[in-house]
Amino acid sequence: DIEMTQSPSSLSASVGDRVTITCRASRDITTYVNWYQQKPGRAPKLLIYAASSLQSGVPSRFGGSGSGTDFTLTITGLQPEDVATYYCQQTDITPRTFGPGTKVDLK
Amino acid sequence: EVQLAQSGAEVKKPGESLKISCQVSGYTFTNYWIGWVRQMPGKGLEWVGIIFPSDSDTRYGPSFQGHVTISVDKSINTAYLHWSSLRASDTAMYYCARQFCVAGICPFDSWGEGTLVTVSS
Repeated sequence: DIEMTQSPSSLSASVGDRVTITCRASRDITTYVNWYQQKPGRAPKLLIYAASSLQSGVPSRFGGSGSGTDFTLTITGLQPEDVATYYCQQTDITPRTFGPGTKVDLK
Repeated sequence: EVQLAQSGAEVKKPGESLKISCQVSGYTFTNYWIGWVRQMPGKGLEWVGIIFPSDSDTRYGPSFQGHVTISVDKSINTAYLHWSSLRASDTAMYYCARQFCVAGICPFDSWGEGTLVTVSS
């Protein structure tokens, strides 16, 4: 199985801040990474697929980058509605494992 | 509009059987893989498995292989997650999701609202 790790596990930021979340795969997965947002009590929502492609309807302040083993989700200008937990997922091989999540809240 | 409607919350005892469902609409059911994801209370997302409704080709995560069964009924556009003998550790929210593939990369692009399964004696 491919293990996915994320850092930090949680962070606090102010409205308007630039927020960066890192995801690392246990082996090279080229760009087979997706990012999801999960708000409390809600189902996850796809934000980014193929490492850097923005899902339709997702605000442009969300961006993804990386390839190989290291990936980044960036929120440029944090908004109150971005308070959530963010998960990366690899879809290179099954099982299509998720990272442990990064919880983002407001300072 | 793509929609995945999941069955309601369940409360069961250890050793009992259970089948939860996910009925889809708004797209051709047999053209996309459907997956299940577990979220235990206060924890992260775990990939349970996926099924291709057209031919019932199924893949399971190693932690779930042999303990759950994923199936479909094409006549009613519905996927199922089945346990023959529940354990207390199966207590969790279970989400179904459609797997959408672009250039070989296959995220879950649409999700159900989740089915809460509680197993307690």
